Amino acid sequence: AQKVTQAQTEISVVEKEDVTLDCVYETRDTTYYLFWYKQPPSGELVFLIRRNSFDEQNEISGRYSWNFQKSTSSFNFTITASQVVDSAVYFCALPSSNTGKLIFGQGTTLQVKP
Amino acid sequence: ETGVTQTPRHLVMGMTNKKSLKCEQHLGHNAMYWYKQSAKKPLELMFVYSLEERVENNSVPSRFSPECPNSSHLFLHLHTLQPEDSALYLCASSQDRGYNYGYTFGSGTRLTVV
Repeated sequence: AQKVTQAQTEISVVEKEDVTLDCVYETRDTTYYLFWYKQPPSGELVFLIRRNSFDEQNEISGRYSWNFQKSTSSFNFTITASQVVDSAVYFCALPSSNTGKLIFGQGTTLQVKP
Repeated sequence: ETGVTQTPRHLVMGMTNKKSLKCEQHLGHNAMYWYKQSAKKPLELMFVYSLEERVENNSVPSRFSPECPNSSHLFLHLHTLQPEDSALYLCASSQDRGYNYGYTFGSGTRLTVV
């Protein structure tokens, strides 16, 4: 069965600290995609990144970076020099190979204090 | 307009009321979803529509009744709800059930049942 685990329920950091959000997944598929979404207090889930399992190169987008390790089935997300606006719930997700529906992790609530 | 629009943003209703949530997408997607997000709980998939046909109903009580009149619109009709149904209801859409592209979410309707 496919599964996504975000073991960190809540993380609190002070502004400008770096923070890493963990995501571990389970799948028997050889090819798959992984996603990260951000849910700010307004409620909408905002797409952050889609990663193909073929591409293990780490990706950086501004202060955001993602570390994909196929060997450990992890897809961790790091925010460098965090800001108060980064405060949100972050979800990691994996599409079901049978139905295509997204399987979400439990989410990690990040609080960045000024 | 943004990709997925949900109305209303907030709704307070009594247990004997009947109301409807509306979701509209202008992305040309062919699948739409209803999710429920309760406090401190993970995202729960309620219904999946693909090409206007309901393809999944995850054991949702009959007091929730979805309707998908066309590929751009999705409704969730509510009647005789319970206080525990208070939650954020999120609509999402995707192309080809999200396997490659993930979902685009609306901002949600925050429902309070009194």
